[in-house]
Amino acid sequence: DGGITQSPKYLFRKEGQNVTLSCEQNLNHDAMYWYRQDPGQGLRLIYYSQIVNDFQKGDIAEGYSVSREKKESFPLTVTSAQKNPTAFYLCASSMGQLYGYTFGSGTRLTVV
Amino acid sequence: AQSVTQLGSHVSVSEGALVLLRCNYSSSVPPYLFWYVQYPNQGLQLLLKYTSAATLVKGINGFEAEFKKSETSFHLTKPSAHMSDAAEYFCAVSPPWMDSSYKLIFGSGTRLLVRP
Repeated sequence: DGGITQSPKYLFRKEGQNVTLSCEQNLNHDAMYWYRQDPGQGLRLIYYSQIVNDFQKGDIAEGYSVSREKKESFPLTVTSAQKNPTAFYLCASSMGQLYGYTFGSGTRLTVV
Repeated sequence: AQSVTQLGSHVSVSEGALVLLRCNYSSSVPPYLFWYVQYPNQGLQLLLKYTSAATLVKGINGFEAEFKKSETSFHLTKPSAHMSDAAEYFCAVSPPWMDSSYKLIFGSGTRLLVRP
């Protein structure tokens, strides 16, 4: 079945460490997105990519980095510069404006 | 600029009662509109969408929404709430003109509580 896979589902890291969240899709979608979700704050866009080897900052890109070397993959790195990284991270992809997004199941990152 | 407002961060209904979740958009041209549902610790799942065809849209799990241009609204309804409907619901909007990013703008979400 086609879909988006995020791994791991839960991730624990020590403060000051970089951590990479995986997002893989087999839907052949061109566009991919990363969102951060905090309680009571809805979804906030971190980065998005429309094509391979190209990506743009979203509303809260500081402290994060991404790459898009393959159409299927859009990993997110949470760097030590991100002041408050504990959150639920959602990856999504889209094949066009008429279709909306397909979401992964999310990764809950806890920094201790 | 496009925006979407969801009235009520929390809505509580009794099991079997009508569910009404409100969504208003701000756009000079009717956009594409979406409703998503999120269960705890899961991703978002598409419930239904409006893409300028029928104004009354039926979705999964018995939900439907009506696009009303005069009121710039796209409220989500279900005639009879079930305990399994308890979740967070997000309204989202996308411009109807060509935008290669395909970005959606999300509302802040409404948490639906269903009382036994």
